[in-house]
Amino acid sequence: DAGVIQSPRHEVTEMGQEVTLRCKPISGHNSLFWYRQTMMRGLELLIYFNNNVPIDDSGMPEDRFSAKMPNASFSTLKIQPSEPRDSAVYFCASSAQGLYGYTFGSGTRLTVV
Amino acid sequence: GEDVEQSLFLSVREGDSSVINCTYTDSSSTYLYWYKQEPGAGLQLLTYIFSNMDMKQDQRLTVLLNKKDKHLSLRIADTQTGDSAIYFCAESIPGNKLVFGAGTILRVKS
Repeated sequence: DAGVIQSPRHEVTEMGQEVTLRCKPISGHNSLFWYRQTMMRGLELLIYFNNNVPIDDSGMPEDRFSAKMPNASFSTLKIQPSEPRDSAVYFCASSAQGLYGYTFGSGTRLTVV
Repeated sequence: GEDVEQSLFLSVREGDSSVINCTYTDSSSTYLYWYKQEPGAGLQLLTYIFSNMDMKQDQRLTVLLNKKDKHLSLRIADTQTGDSAIYFCAESIPGNKLVFGAGTILRVKS
């Protein structure tokens, strides 16, 4: 298995632009998580899905953030419009019920200028 | 609510043992985890311990769990420069969720 695949690895965009981050979880995993990591705030859970259904989006900072999981093999995190304070590394992780822990992707480093 | 706390920084000499400590709050946690993050990479599961265990050993890694005090530690024997990374403690909570600590930066001096 190729693991959790995130794209792009790096994204530089101008303030006000729309940004879409993509994630392909491990096949067979039924839970998917989006995290944001910054020096100031550490690792923050933004939203997670069970069986493609959003369960808890209380970590989504603002309405500018939205996430979708149209099927078991794909999820997106969208920021519209983006702001400089959104600059961070965004991680996707997946897990299966009964298995131990999460498997993380390599992350997308987002820079908003 | 759930909270996981770790010390922020640890510096050791190559060859010494490293001990990274963590405290958690949810007494119903079934599993507790240690993750390692190297620069520019995602978090990698290092090891985990079931809540009814006191200790787990895996090669150079030893995990100790004191459930009464809600204290978890990770000992790395014969620490190498390749062990330099950020180490995250995490507790499982209902809903197949993990709560992560802020991470401990381990610096290994050669």
